[in-house]
Amino acid sequence: QQPVQSPQAVILREGEDAVINCSSSKALYSVHWYRQKHGEAPVFLMILLKGGEQKGHEKISASFNEKKQQSSLYLTASQLSYSGTYFCGTSNAGGTSYGKLTFGQGTILTVHP
Amino acid sequence: KAGVTQTPRYLIKTRGQQVTLSCSPISGHRSVSWYQQTPGQGLQFLFEYFSETQRNKGNFPGRFSGRQFSNSRSEMNVSTLELGDSALYLCASSPVVLWDLSPEQFFGPGTRLTVL
Repeated sequence: QQPVQSPQAVILREGEDAVINCSSSKALYSVHWYRQKHGEAPVFLMILLKGGEQKGHEKISASFNEKKQQSSLYLTASQLSYSGTYFCGTSNAGGTSYGKLTFGQGTILTVHP
Repeated sequence: KAGVTQTPRYLIKTRGQQVTLSCSPISGHRSVSWYQQTPGQGLQFLFEYFSETQRNKGNFPGRFSGRQFSNSRSEMNVSTLELGDSALYLCASSPVVLWDLSPEQFFGPGTRLTVL
């Protein structure tokens, strides 16, 4: 079952902040965040692992609430380059997922000047 | 390091034909995952290969198959193409280390397949 992302779309002015959420009904081992611009490949942003470890982009922050099986991506002081579709991909707890990520439906972020 | 490369970038086929897509992972990455991306279904996992072995498979019909070579390059094949197979096919490569159960995945630019 795919994770649920909210909101579906966000419109910002440059400099404003945004939060994108990703919720799963299953116990998670990790949450991966990606940004995809139109016609391009998804770009890796960050991984959050069960237990608190994080790996990824220095200028992006995120959290992982293991009790709620929910992750949030925090975009602060947005820039025009932040525009794109943000996806969370999850791997489930209980064993190795062997390369399988289950992706949410995406959140479209648009930043205006 | 060079990124993930996929060939061809665009492909047009007709129903009933078969197609082979290629993916070269980042140097040193030994795991390759394949995904299908469509507007309706989003990003869906097809399969993953490591050391020439398929370790995981998504919920796709047997018409979708893949393989990996000793140099970690991977191919996926779709036989008897259907209109619904039109999609962006993405591969992602990952480093594999024993203690890392969920390494980051780096995506290639994708192959845009159109089935007429």
